Amino acid sequence: GESVGLHLPTLSVQEGDNSIINCAYSNSASDYFIWYKQESGKGPQFIIDIRSNMDKRQGQRVTVLLNKTVKHLSLQIAATQPGDSAVYFCAENGSSGSRLTFGEGTQLTVNP
Amino acid sequence: GAVVSQHPSWVICKSGTSVKIECRSLDFQATTMFWYRQFPKQSLMLMATSNEGSKATYEQGVEKDKFLINHASLTLSTLTVTSAHPEDSSFYICSARDVWSGVSTDTQYFGPGTRLTVL
Repeated sequence: GESVGLHLPTLSVQEGDNSIINCAYSNSASDYFIWYKQESGKGPQFIIDIRSNMDKRQGQRVTVLLNKTVKHLSLQIAATQPGDSAVYFCAENGSSGSRLTFGEGTQLTVNP
Repeated sequence: GAVVSQHPSWVICKSGTSVKIECRSLDFQATTMFWYRQFPKQSLMLMATSNEGSKATYEQGVEKDKFLINHASLTLSTLTVTSAHPEDSSFYICSARDVWSGVSTDTQYFGPGTRLTVL
């Protein structure tokens, strides 16, 4: 069935380093992907999205890369800050249109 | 823009009572809202899709008579947990899709969540 998973459940980095969070998806019909950040006790916050006709998209300090050949998605955070500490989820729309399927999440911890 | 609110942010109730959670899109209209449940250290699980003016579509395994959803306007959806039991204790999160985006793969904007504790 459809599934979106993450390679690593936890990631610890030093402040100022770059972070890379990975996500594997299994549904080749997915054409829209989103990264969300969720801080403890809060709802997910939209970070960046990418459509399947692109392989890279950049935002402020964040870059999303999409490799459709191997069904892999990654989120790169430049100059990671303590405020970036959170759980990061990737989500894809699969073949269901507007419904999103979420990955398991990666806990990012930024050490000062 | 794209702000979604939820009320209440947290609620504690006795077993057997019903609890209503509101989800509002504050600066946009949403024909479609989604309700998720999230247990500690886990991902978001979609419970149902709420469509304005029509019945909600529930995911497999979600009891529609227990989790009543009403989407009476383009800015408000409510989730009522009826006859709540301790196992219903969870973090309930709604999201909304902007009706004017015009494409099927619209971004979902999430509310801050409601922490439900059933004693």
